[in-house]
Amino acid sequence: ETGVTQTPRHLVMGMTNKKSLKCEQHLGHNAMYWYKQSAKKPLELMFVYNFKEQTENNSVPSRFSPECPNSSHLFLHLHTLQPEDSALYLCASSLRTESQLNYEQYFGPGTRLTVT
Amino acid sequence: AQTVTQSQPEMSVQEAETVTLSCTYDTSESDYYLFWYKQPPSRQMILVIRQEAYKQQNATENRFSVNFQKAAKSFSLKISDSQLGDAAMYFCAYLNLSGTYKYIFGTGTRLKVLA
Repeated sequence: ETGVTQTPRHLVMGMTNKKSLKCEQHLGHNAMYWYKQSAKKPLELMFVYNFKEQTENNSVPSRFSPECPNSSHLFLHLHTLQPEDSALYLCASSLRTESQLNYEQYFGPGTRLTVT
Repeated sequence: AQTVTQSQPEMSVQEAETVTLSCTYDTSESDYYLFWYKQPPSRQMILVIRQEAYKQQNATENRFSVNFQKAAKSFSLKISDSQLGDAAMYFCAYLNLSGTYKYIFGTGTRLKVLA
């Protein structure tokens, strides 16, 4: 295990539902990320939070809404999704410091989302 | 824009043999990191190896080594003495250290290890 947990692991939702994905890390990291992983496509960076501040929104539709209440927790709120949003959603964290030397990201197991 | 290309969607290797996974990238930056991540079936993605662009020496981690050709913008991963547990998706990733601090991943290579 990498120290990053995600819940739920599987989620099936209709296009009119509202649901949230949760990510938690206990590694003392200060940067957290949401990625979308679809078959045969590169991992797509969606959002980046650094010290709880959103520093990147990679042109993600507004039906995805991130929330980072503290440096250990990250949420992705979902509403009125489309079938093409079905994918594996990965959370990752890393430690950003002035003297950081490895820049490694630690990934969670992902939430497999199916939109019907 | 920076891009990462993995041209081999799938590779197979016999157990105990050696396999090389290819990765090329495009950037105009000089200061960056390169990574190989492994994603086993239904398991979490983990870091296999990383390479700092300013280092000429190729990184090695036990049975894993890279062939980093900076001028050619090539970053291949060699797995020696392949084991069944090496079967996974392997992703090549690039991180620009100046600017947005954004990781860019390739499409992945699925490695099958044959007993």
